[in-house]
Amino acid sequence: AQSVTQPDIHITVSEGASLELRCNYSYGATPYLFWYVQSPGQGLQLLLKYFSGDTLVQGIKGFEAEFKRSQSSFNLRKPSVHWSDAAEYFCAVGGGFGNEKLTFGTGTRLTIIP
Amino acid sequence: DVKVTQSSRYLVKRTGEKVFLECVQDMDHENMFWYRQDPGLGLRLIYFSYDVKMKEKGDIPEGYSVSREKKERFSLILESASTNQTSMYLCASSSGRVYNSPLHFGNGTRLTVT
Repeated sequence: AQSVTQPDIHITVSEGASLELRCNYSYGATPYLFWYVQSPGQGLQLLLKYFSGDTLVQGIKGFEAEFKRSQSSFNLRKPSVHWSDAAEYFCAVGGGFGNEKLTFGTGTRLTIIP
Repeated sequence: DVKVTQSSRYLVKRTGEKVFLECVQDMDHENMFWYRQDPGLGLRLIYFSYDVKMKEKGDIPEGYSVSREKKERFSLILESASTNQTSMYLCASSSGRVYNSPLHFGNGTRLTVT
């Protein structure tokens, strides 16, 4: 069965500091990996996705993520956070053709302090 | 922009009531999904649908059913609401398979069952 672990429930960083949110997945084959962001009172929005190819993927809002097969990880990074980045971030894993289930992690809430 | 509209932002129902949660998307998407979101549990898939009148169980279908009579509308039905169904419900749609099409989410319906 596929699963996602986000070990950090809540992270606080200062505005302008760098950010890394951790995500570990379990999947028996090549995974399809996603990061979604949920701003307060909103639905989720796709930040970036990895299917194949370059293991460093770029997303919207200046975010990037790196796929590391040996560590079963797909960590999200941003070099300098802005107050508007305060939100909840979800990592998700989905299978290939024939497996339509997208399994989400439990989320990491990001707080930005001035 | 894709718009996924959930008919109610907040809903309060009594135990045993039959509850309908409505979702409409305006982009002619093939696939629609219902998730519930609970603190510490992330998003869990209840049901999804590839096409009109087609439905598939997700990870937690018990106590729920769905209806998709028209392509743009996907309804979640709680046959007899219970307090453990108090949650945030998120509807999503996508144009293709989960591995190559992002999910577009509505803003959610917060359901309270008393």
